[in-house]
Amino acid sequence: GNSVTQMEGPVTLSEEAFLTINCTYTATGYPSLFWYVQYPGEGLQLLLKATKADDKGSNKGFEATYRKETTSFHLEKGSVQVSDSAVYFCALRGSGNTPLVFGKGTRLSVIA
Amino acid sequence: SAVISQKPSRDICQRGTSLTIQCQVDSQVTMMFWYRQQPGQSLTLIATANQGSEATYESGFVIDKFPISRPNLTFSTLTVSNMSPEDSSIYLCSVGEGGSKVGELFFGEGSRLTVL
Repeated sequence: GNSVTQMEGPVTLSEEAFLTINCTYTATGYPSLFWYVQYPGEGLQLLLKATKADDKGSNKGFEATYRKETTSFHLEKGSVQVSDSAVYFCALRGSGNTPLVFGKGTRLSVIA
Repeated sequence: SAVISQKPSRDICQRGTSLTIQCQVDSQVTMMFWYRQQPGQSLTLIATANQGSEATYESGFVIDKFPISRPNLTFSTLTVSNMSPEDSSIYLCSVGEGGSKVGELFFGEGSRLTVL
């Protein structure tokens, strides 16, 4: 079945540092890929997405590129801020009437 | 995007009791799912709520423990039955489109249950 493997956390970075959170997937067919973010005390919200190979999703300075050859969707940000502290979930969704499959989540803490 | 309201937002329950969580969406949606997020963990799918028919449960989840209703395209309920402390979790309703319109799912704020 479909699965997502995500870099384990927690990750602690200083403000303005470069962020990479690795995500690889296993899926049949051509899934859509997502990054969701959960800020402290808040609900889950979509950060970015990519629906086909070589697509780049971007939002709030975060980027991720759908790499079919390496089955990866790594999340990157060039300069993190304290306000980026949250838990980040990589997820995929197959075709048809399917749910999201989530990775385990990576907790990011950014310190000033 | 869909606006999802979940009730209750949180509750403290006694062992052996049951609680029903409601999910109301501001528009008709094809797909509705129920997830569980245990403390410090990722999201695990409980079931797909099917409109007008029985829900489709994932491995490890059964209808007797988590009965689900979905009477129409904007509303669903999840009941957590005969609760034990192990059921203490956040329960999330999620909605989106299916078929050829595959895209992101939207989530409610969640219902945080604590079972004593």
